[in-house]
Amino acid sequence: KQEVTQIPAALSVPEGENLVLNCSFTDSAIYNLQWFRQDPGKGLTSLLLIQSSQREQTSGRLNASLDKSSGRSTLYIAASQPGDSATYLCAVKGATNKLIFGTGTLLAVQP
Amino acid sequence: EPEVTQTPSHQVTQMGQEVILHCVPISNHLYFYWYRQILGQKVEFLVSFYNNEISEKSEIFDDQFSVERPDGSNFTLKIRSTKLEDSAMYFCASSRQGAEEKLFFGSGTQLSVL
Repeated sequence: KQEVTQIPAALSVPEGENLVLNCSFTDSAIYNLQWFRQDPGKGLTSLLLIQSSQREQTSGRLNASLDKSSGRSTLYIAASQPGDSATYLCAVKGATNKLIFGTGTLLAVQP
Repeated sequence: EPEVTQTPSHQVTQMGQEVILHCVPISNHLYFYWYRQILGQKVEFLVSFYNNEISEKSEIFDDQFSVERPDGSNFTLKIRSTKLEDSAMYFCASSRQGAEEKLFFGSGTQLSVL
């Protein structure tokens, strides 16, 4: 059974710092991995999608990497801003169409 | 930019009552999903729907739950007899194709069962 874990559970950084969020999964037979952002009481905003054949994806200040064989993904946020404060979720999709979500990392960027 | 729309944003109901949660997926999407998130817990898959039928469901999605696409635009989740433990944020999502595509989520319906 696929299990997805995210560390750290919470992170607080000063504005301008670069940071890395980690996601690990137990079954490497995934189809893709998606990173989401969740603001308090709100829905999930898709940030990046990495297919199983890809190593990384970039969008603006965000870069996500995938190492399928070791069951790991990282989300790198460059030059963090207070507006980046949110919960970041990773989710993997296996042979079926459902996403299995991690527990999330709560990020606070201090001005 | 197209988005998934969910109504209502909040729903309060008494235990044992039926509720229907409404979703309008993105118009050219073919796959539809419901997920839920109990406060402080992970987002959990409930059901996926394609070609007018359920393609997969989780063990949470028991006989009390049903989904329907009553017309070309709406996608609903019905809970027949709500329990206290059904209290959660319910998210609708859609994707254009299946496995290789991004899922786009709505902003959720917060269901409170009293």
